Amino acid sequence: KAGVTQTPRYLIKTRGQQVTLSCSPISGHRSVSWYQQTPGQGLQFLFEYFSETQRNKGNFPGRFSGRQFSNSRSEMNVSTLELGDSALYLCASSLAASSYNSPLHFGNGTRLTVT
Amino acid sequence: GESVGLHLPTLSVQEGDNSIINCAYSNSASDYFIWYKQESGKGPQFIIDIRSNMDKRQGQRVTVLLNKTVKHLSLQIAATQPGDSAVYFCAEPMNTGNQFYFGTGTSLTVIP
Repeated sequence: KAGVTQTPRYLIKTRGQQVTLSCSPISGHRSVSWYQQTPGQGLQFLFEYFSETQRNKGNFPGRFSGRQFSNSRSEMNVSTLELGDSALYLCASSLAASSYNSPLHFGNGTRLTVT
Repeated sequence: GESVGLHLPTLSVQEGDNSIINCAYSNSASDYFIWYKQESGKGPQFIIDIRSNMDKRQGQRVTVLLNKTVKHLSLQIAATQPGDSAVYFCAEPMNTGNQFYFGTGTSLTVIP
């Protein structure tokens, strides 16, 4: 079974631009989460979708948004990019609806660099 | 608030020795914990999980111990190999909606 796939692997953008990242979860997984990973802040939760509905959102500005499609694939968008948005963006999928029942399975991330 | 943390940011061990990575949590109501391994250039990889109704769980060369009294869990890696060099994270659920807290991570270096 294929793992979580994230595209693209690397992105270089300029301040003020916007970017869209894509994630394909493991087949059968309906929950998709996004995390931002930086050396200083570690892994920080962005948002989580289940059956096309956003269930939880982390403490990030409104410039960060996402969505999930009927096939469970997900995208996240960052508008008006800032230098501080440079990070590894990780997508994770889960089989279960609840975090108490099943671990997250991560993709290898999209490395975003904002110049 | 609920959080997980790690005692040591780095750990170096000789190849063949056993490794112990520690994690403390603050929410006494937490009942599910996960260990992840993240190699350079890759996403975190699930290693093993444990529920609060267990004190110990074993996998292939790994053992997780849970001490609910002091709110502490540890990951033990037996006969550490160079391929075990990575950053290890513990994680616990924040809520029922697949949102997790992650610790800051411990970087394990295996010395040949």
